[in-house]
Amino acid sequence: NAGVMQNPRHLVRRRGQEARLRCSPMKGHSHVYWYRQLPEEGLKFMVYLQKENIIDESGMPKERFSAEFPKEGPSILRIQQVVRGDSAAYFCASSPGRATYEQYFGPGTRLTVT
Amino acid sequence: AQTVTQSQPEMSVQEAETVTLSCTYDTSESNYYLFWYKQPPSRQMILVIRQEAYKQQNATENRFSVNFQKAAKSFSLKISDSQLGDTAMYFCAFMGLSGGGADGLTFGKGTHLIIQP
Repeated sequence: NAGVMQNPRHLVRRRGQEARLRCSPMKGHSHVYWYRQLPEEGLKFMVYLQKENIIDESGMPKERFSAEFPKEGPSILRIQQVVRGDSAAYFCASSPGRATYEQYFGPGTRLTVT
Repeated sequence: AQTVTQSQPEMSVQEAETVTLSCTYDTSESNYYLFWYKQPPSRQMILVIRQEAYKQQNATENRFSVNFQKAAKSFSLKISDSQLGDTAMYFCAFMGLSGGGADGLTFGKGTHLIIQP
């Protein structure tokens, strides 16, 4: 059973470009969480999605950031008009359902904005 | 909102020694889980141990054990017989269950543990 997959592992964008980060959850998992880790910091919760539904987006910046988890395909975290402050490692985690406490993490995507 | 505090930015011990990493948290929830995650240089987040708040018994996983003091809102991690491979960042994390299900994790800032040969 493959683990949580994220791609790309490394992404370089110039200021003003768009960044798309993908997360494929573990097989059978229908819930995805996105976290951001700034340098020298712990992970910060951004958004919690179920397929075709956003459950909690309280950690998402109000502008430029959006997330989706369609019925088919991976979850996408989209950052529009990136700025240097968006440079960070972005992790996704998946779980089988909301009643399950355990989250399985992917390897992360390191975004660098130049 | 809950907060998680790890007051030790870095710790260093000799191989085979025992080390304790501290974590305190603040929450108004009564039902929650607590976790310790390890992040080695590969940056992969690895679950080390978990504790359900309703359980009084401290969780143990091989060389890893916790000291969970619910009233004091303290959740420390003890690593016995430390090994070189234990060198990593260690994050304490909180998960509330107030919404009837699992919420996103709240992490502390981490402790960088270095095991010296």
